Amino acid sequence: KAGVTQTPRYLIKTRGQQVTLSCSPISGHRSVSWYQQTPGQGLQFLFEYFSETQRNKGNFPGRFSGRQFSNSRSEMNVSTLELGDSALYLCASSFGGPATNEKLFFGSGTQLSVL
Amino acid sequence: TQLLEQSPQFLSIQEGENLTVYCNSSSVFSSLQWYRQEPGEGPVLLVTVVTGGEVKKLKRLTFQFGDARKDSSLHITAAQPGDTGLYLCAGRRGSRLTFGEGTQLTVNP
Repeated sequence: KAGVTQTPRYLIKTRGQQVTLSCSPISGHRSVSWYQQTPGQGLQFLFEYFSETQRNKGNFPGRFSGRQFSNSRSEMNVSTLELGDSALYLCASSFGGPATNEKLFFGSGTQLSVL
Repeated sequence: TQLLEQSPQFLSIQEGENLTVYCNSSSVFSSLQWYRQEPGEGPVLLVTVVTGGEVKKLKRLTFQFGDARKDSSLHITAAQPGDTGLYLCAGRRGSRLTFGEGTQLTVNP
């Protein structure tokens, strides 16, 4: 069974640009969560999607958005990039929706560098 | 302010030593998970504890959930170089899973 796939693996952008990251969950999983990981802040929750609906949102500005498609694949978009957006962006999938103790399966992440 | 505080932040030990990593909060969690993350990879779930006072063992790793469900510890016996990695705790409250900043463990041969 294929794991969670995130593309691209690495990305370099300049300030003011926008970026789209992609996440393909494990087959059959309906929930996708996104996290931002930085050395100083650890993993910060961005948002969670279940059955194409955003169920939870973290404390990030509106420049961060996402969506989920009918096949459960998810994308997140960051507009007007800032230097502080440089981070590892992790996607995790699970079968169940929010408020479950189901195991999260993480992808390897997309390392975004903003210059 | 971090909801979950992990200590120590960094730990470098020799192979064969024992160690304990702590995860503390002033909030009550319905469950707590521990993950290990290796360089270039996403975190991998090690264990989920649900009941206050619960103890789970995974080979040389022992996980404990505090009686009040506000804290947890991870104890590793006879650490090996393969245990090297970033250990993350994550507490669940309702539909939200909150992660600590992690403990970077290095086990030297």
